[in-house]
Amino acid sequence: EVQLVESGGGLVQPGRSLRLSCAASGFTFDDYAMHWVRQAPGKGLEWVSGISWNSGSIGYADSVKGRFTISRDNAKNSLYLQMNSLRAEDTALYYCAKDSSSSWGLSIDYWGQGTLVTVSS
Amino acid sequence: SYVLTQPPSVSVAPGQTARITCGGNNIGSKSVHWYQQKPGQAPVLVVYDDSDRPSGIPERFSGSNSGNTATLTISRVEAGDEADYYCQVWDSSTLRNVVFGGGTKLTVL
Repeated sequence: EVQLVESGGGLVQPGRSLRLSCAASGFTFDDYAMHWVRQAPGKGLEWVSGISWNSGSIGYADSVKGRFTISRDNAKNSLYLQMNSLRAEDTALYYCAKDSSSSWGLSIDYWGQGTLVTVSS
Repeated sequence: SYVLTQPPSVSVAPGQTARITCGGNNIGSKSVHWYQQKPGQAPVLVVYDDSDRPSGIPERFSGSNSGNTATLTISRVEAGDEADYYCQVWDSSTLRNVVFGGGTKLTVL
């Protein structure tokens, strides 16, 4: 059974940093691309970032480019999101999600339950 | 950047057919995926590559894609289908970004 468990969310002040983690199990982690997708309270889904199976291809939404960094450790079956210079508009539930391919361009076939990030003074 | 447009809401009576549209410039040339999200839950993939269903998804869920509109069709709608539905594509023009539609709230009357 595929499991994606996010951690690292919490309350943080504007301008500060936070690092999210996602522990993956139930599939061969280094065979698949991974994503972070967020959802602000009461709003729709917003793709944040994606990373290919070998970290050779990485992409970011314009809203986070230059502030967020995605990475993965295939030896630890883990995905990360380093979030710097956080803003109030980054407040959201952050989902770790598995792509159905080694790169991305196909569907997202599994999602975690999310970790909540609240940016407020 | 590529924009996907969905109606904010669709209402249908139980047993009827719901159709949720997703508009985009020449979307028929892209692969469209659909996700169902119930309150307090993570999204679930219900249709991928325009019209394929993952295992475990009922045959009542189907999809089509042509021209500037993709459509998710839910036949014989049940109360349990009430949820938000999102379409998604991969935008090759913007360094491989993933794009979601704004979402459609399906209400079962």
